[in-house]
Amino acid sequence: GDSVTQMEGPVTLSEEAFLTINCTYTATGYPSLFWYVQYPGEGLQLLLKATKADDKGSNKGFEATYRKETTSFHLEKGSVQVSDSAVYFCALNRGGGYQKVTFGTGTKLQVIP
Amino acid sequence: EADIYQTPRYLVIGTGKKITLECSQTMGHDKMYWYQQDPGMELHLIHYSYGVNSTEKGDLSSESTVSRIRTEHFPLTLESARPSHTSQYLCASSESMDRGQYFGAGTRLSVL
Repeated sequence: GDSVTQMEGPVTLSEEAFLTINCTYTATGYPSLFWYVQYPGEGLQLLLKATKADDKGSNKGFEATYRKETTSFHLEKGSVQVSDSAVYFCALNRGGGYQKVTFGTGTKLQVIP
Repeated sequence: EADIYQTPRYLVIGTGKKITLECSQTMGHDKMYWYQQDPGMELHLIHYSYGVNSTEKGDLSSESTVSRIRTEHFPLTLESARPSHTSQYLCASSESMDRGQYFGAGTRLSVL
């Protein structure tokens, strides 16, 4: 079945540090890939997405590239801020009319001043 | 800005009570979902719907039930709440799967 594996947290970084959160996946077909962010006390928000190989999703300074050869979709940001402290979820939908999403277990990021 | 609303945001009730968690969206999305989020953050799909009068059980067995009488409304009901139901419940909707899902702010339920 489908699965998403992301690096365990918590990840603690100083402000302006470079961020990488690793995500790899297993899926049949040609999945769409997503990153969601959850701020404390809130629901998830779609951060970025990519629907085919080599696509790069980007939003709010975050980027992730769909790498089919390594089945990866790592999240990166060049300079994190305290306001980026949140939980980040990698997710996929296998496509082909499949109506469910497979989520990773989430990675908590804490950015300290 | 997504328009999907959950009420109540917080609920504390006693064991054995019947409760309904409300979820509404104004985007006209056909697909709607209920997730249970445990303290370790992991999300578990408990119910979903393709459209009016269609509901399916998710991957995690749940004692709750859902209904979908109107496109915009997808309530979740617990007939007899127990302490094991204490959790955060997240509602989501989607226009199409390759566009991702929109989530409500969640209902945090505590059963005493």
